[in-house]
Amino acid sequence: DTAVSQTPKYLVTQMGNDKSIKCEQNLGHDTMYWYKQDSKKFLKIMFSYNNKELIINETVPNRFSPKSPDKAHLNLHINSLELGDSAVYFCASSQLLNTGELFFGEGSRLTVL
Amino acid sequence: GESVGLHLPTLSVQEGDNSIINCAYSNSASDYFIWYKQESGKGPQFIIDIRSNMDKRQGQRVTVLLNKTVKHLSLQIAATQPGDSAVYFCAENPQGNQGGKLIFGQGTELSVKP
Repeated sequence: DTAVSQTPKYLVTQMGNDKSIKCEQNLGHDTMYWYKQDSKKFLKIMFSYNNKELIINETVPNRFSPKSPDKAHLNLHINSLELGDSAVYFCASSQLLNTGELFFGEGSRLTVL
Repeated sequence: GESVGLHLPTLSVQEGDNSIINCAYSNSASDYFIWYKQESGKGPQFIIDIRSNMDKRQGQRVTVLLNKTVKHLSLQIAATQPGDSAVYFCAENPQGNQGGKLIFGQGTELSVKP
């Protein structure tokens, strides 16, 4: 069983479209995250949630809207996609909020044309 | 400022040799550091962590060294194997961070030659 699973793994879409990436973790963790990795492999946090509550919104444009329907899920919806949104998006979870041990999913590669 | 950087973007070693991956950080208030390994096409994977009250921590074939004086940490991999080929990231958890925010460095790509 995959601990942190994301779908879809690949997403190719046109500028201006709206898309969603889903994430589920079966580790029983309370905290979930979204990270963005650019073409130079630089990883940057976007959001963190703890017990379904938003903790961090790292100056992400409001076109990005995370939603946590329950502790095991954290989905990412992106409106009006732009070329610069092309990246690999990683979902992660952790047992505690302030730990360095995150469990990452395999990533969702988004390409905006 | 918020930056965690690496001295070398790529490192090539012979199988069986030891590898040393370096990382510099700039936030002297950071008190917790983590190393991650990212294999091609996969998500980052936790390797080892160290808190600022320690200067060395050992795991299975890996050792992390922390030098707070010069704000430097390193990851040593003993008897490097082909399966160690990956991008390695150091990450920093700033002191007082209540939001679970990790600041990742640029990454070093380790290539192991058979």
